[in-house]
Amino acid sequence: NFMLSQPHSVSESPGKTITISCTRSSGTVADNYVQWYQQRPGGSPTTVIYEDNERPSGVPDRFSGSIDVSSNSASLTISGLMTEDEADYYCQSFDARGVVFGGGTKLTVL
Amino acid sequence: EVHLVQSGAVVKKPGDSLRISCKGSGHSFSSYWVAWVRQLPGKGLEWMGSVYLGDSDTRNNPSFRGQVTLSADKSLDVAYLQWDSLEASDSAIYYCAKQASPGAYYLPLFDSWGQGTLVTVSS
Repeated sequence: NFMLSQPHSVSESPGKTITISCTRSSGTVADNYVQWYQQRPGGSPTTVIYEDNERPSGVPDRFSGSIDVSSNSASLTISGLMTEDEADYYCQSFDARGVVFGGGTKLTVL
Repeated sequence: EVHLVQSGAVVKKPGDSLRISCKGSGHSFSSYWVAWVRQLPGKGLEWMGSVYLGDSDTRNNPSFRGQVTLSADKSLDVAYLQWDSLEASDSAIYYCAKQASPGAYYLPLFDSWGQGTLVTVSS
């Protein structure tokens, strides 16, 4: 099955913008939707982006998602970073064989 | 909105059997697919499989085939994850997650997650 590769960690200052990448190893990123989940320390995952670029109600518009066919990757961008954004972020997609999660990216807001 | 409530933390011995549950509250939970996701200590998320509460149809991760059983009770709005013989390596947090769209069509995008069940297997 395919894999989703994410950077292990990223860090940035409050108020800045970060982008987390999620690269699909085989198949085409556009073939199946990509979702992004936020997991704060000690908490359950919550959805911040679904269907590549849609935000659930209640998720601030500081969060946005996109896909890039040329690099076969998806990205999560968080603007106006806040300390409460510090968490692990996981991308997720699927194909006929099943569901795949990326390895997760630890975001530190310092 | 559907909320998922999972059964509580458990401590078991190697070789024990176990069934943990995920109950949905709210509108038409029996019309949804529910996934089970494992998180080993300090590690990432792993999809184990999904079960459709409407008819107990399943989709399974081959990596977990033969190790766990997914089932559901439509009348109780509950999904289950079961082990016949636990191993120490099964110690983890297990999450259930609800597929965003209702119905039998399988589209694994998750919009609600349970609070997690901590399973500890130790002699």
